[in-house]
Order: sequence, then C-alpha cells, then structure tokens
Amino acid sequence: DTGVSQDPRHKITKRGQNVTFRCDPISEHNRLYWYRQTLGQGPEFLTYFQNEAQLEKSRLLSDRFSAERPKGSFSTLEIQRTEQGDSAMYLCASSMDSHNSPLHFGNGTRLTVT
Amino acid sequence: AQSVSQHNHHVILSEAASLELGCNYSYGGTVNLFWYVQYPGQHLQLLLKYFSGDPLVKGIKGFEAEFIKSKFSFNLRKPSVQWSDTAEYFCAVNARSSGSARQLTFGSGTQLTVLP
Repeated sequence: DTGVSQDPRHKITKRGQNVTFRCDPISEHNRLYWYRQTLGQGPEFLTYFQNEAQLEKSRLLSDRFSAERPKGSFSTLEIQRTEQGDSAMYLCASSMDSHNSPLHFGNGTRLTVT
Repeated sequence: AQSVSQHNHHVILSEAASLELGCNYSYGGTVNLFWYVQYPGQHLQLLLKYFSGDPLVKGIKGFEAEFIKSKFSFNLRKPSVQWSDTAEYFCAVNARSSGSARQLTFGSGTQLTVLP
C-alpha cells in the first residue's frame, strides 16, 4: 500500500503529557497537511507544508502544538502539555504540487487525553 | 473565510432509493469543490471534485454533483444507492484566494445508512 501512513493509530495519554505523531506521505507528494477531527465534525485544517517549509498555520494551532517536516518527507506533530480538549482524530494528508491536486488522507491517529 | 454547511446529519435510505445530499458554501470568490467519503474504518477518500467547466461532475461509484453558483450549492446525488454506500460524506471547499488556496474547509458531514 502506497497511501499516507500515520503512526500510531491510537494514543491514550494523561493530561499534561507530551505526545508526538508521525505521518509518512505518498512518496511523490511534496505537500503535506495536518487536520484535526472531533466527533460529529468535519476535519479542521491545522497546518500545511510544501516540502520542508511550513507555509500555513491555523489559529487552531496553539503554541502547545508544533509540526515539523525536516527533510521534506515524513512529518511529526507534537502536542505539549496535553489537555482533555486535545482529544480528537489527527489526520494527515498529502498532495502533489498543484493547486488542483486532491488531498489523499491517512487513517489518522486517535488521541484520547484522560 | 469560507464555510460549508451540510444540511442533513443522518440520512437513512433503503437500497435502490435515490440520494441527494445538500451542501452549501459561503465564500464570495472562486472556489474548488469536493465531496469526500469515509467508509467505516477507512480513511477519507475523494469521491469527486469540481474546479471549472461543466457544473455537473461525475465521480466514482455512480455519484455525481452539480455546482449551482447562484445558490452556492454543490449537492451530491446518486440515482440508486446500494448497501455498500453506507458511509459518512463530507463536502469541502477550497477557496482560490492567495491567503487560503491550499486548505480545505469541510462541512460537518452526513452519515448515510443504506438498509438492505
């Protein structure tokens, strides 16, 4: 399978702990996106990379959140000092370098903060 | 900023019934429009997309959608649903402005249940 891969699939953590998620995009895609989805809602945009450059960040992305894509391939999303409100599905997507290129999503990482 | 409204949260149909899921967006500029589907336990998949040209677009699995610019709508249709169409359907818009050209804004989704 050459789709978008996310790890882990599930993460349960205690409030105040730090967590890190990984996303491996489709290999020829140089755009990478992070979205967050809560129950009963559609995905909400968090941030976007073109190669290793983080070009857009949503106001949803508080200073406890940081995303990196150091070599322009895989990306990590770290949440520091997790809060219960951070519980959600974190989705990664990738696309070709074209405005009209559709997004290809991974299966997501489900985070539960207790 | 753009927004997307999906009118129905949950639709229940019998097999062979016709389907129409509503989607309206709010944005004054030029947009790209998408429908994504999420089957149980699977990732979001692109069903169809509209960028320009013929406002009636056809997607996979017999789905189609019509862009009506005057109504800011992009409703999804299928003449005859199957049990395997049971899934959650998301409408999304991508505004072609320089500040937000790369992020999709999704609606809250419509859960479709097709009864055998």
